[in-house]
Amino acid sequence: DADVTQTPRNRITKTGKRIMLECSQTKGHDRMYWYRQDPGLGLRLIYYSFDVKDINKGEISDGYSVSRQAQAKFSLSLESAIPNQTALYFCATSDLGAGWGNEQFFGPGTRLTVL
Amino acid sequence: DQQVKQNSPSLSVQEGRISILNCDYTNSMFDYFLWYKKYPAEGPTFLISISSIKDKNEDGRFTVFLNKSAKHLSLHIVPSQPGDSAVYFCSGGSEKLVFGKGTKLTVNP
Repeated sequence: DADVTQTPRNRITKTGKRIMLECSQTKGHDRMYWYRQDPGLGLRLIYYSFDVKDINKGEISDGYSVSRQAQAKFSLSLESAIPNQTALYFCATSDLGAGWGNEQFFGPGTRLTVL
Repeated sequence: DQQVKQNSPSLSVQEGRISILNCDYTNSMFDYFLWYKKYPAEGPTFLISISSIKDKNEDGRFTVFLNKSAKHLSLHIVPSQPGDSAVYFCSGGSEKLVFGKGTKLTVNP
């Protein structure tokens, strides 16, 4: 069984629709992250959370919101999707420890297409 | 402004030879550097890391070298195998990880 799961794996939606991407983990990690990957741009951090009561903006948070419903669940929402949010989205987790030197464990990704 | 740069989008090597993937960074406050490997249709997986207080870390066929004065790190894979064919991301950070754009490595049999 996968330690970090993302649903849905693929989604096609229309401009203006609200979309929620969900992430669950069974690793017992406190820290969770949302990234997006665009061709030629690598991985960019959208939001991150160090525990249930902690939410932080990343590099590209505009147009996105998140919810940390429990230690194991971290959801990413697009309130009104636009075409330039078409990308591959990854959730990741890491253990509380020596700062960011700890490895992050990534989910399989959600491919989102906004028409 | 890219804080982590991988200037080679792709690299092709023969099986058994050395693969060298390079990465440059601009932020001298980075405490750690991590390399990730990504196959198509999968999430990135951690490969190897190095602390900013070290200049080398080795794990089997994979070695990462850090040159702080040049703000440069490299990943060496010896010997390269066809299964190493993937996209490799360099990342660095202190409180937040910043990723490079990735280098696609192809190892030819």
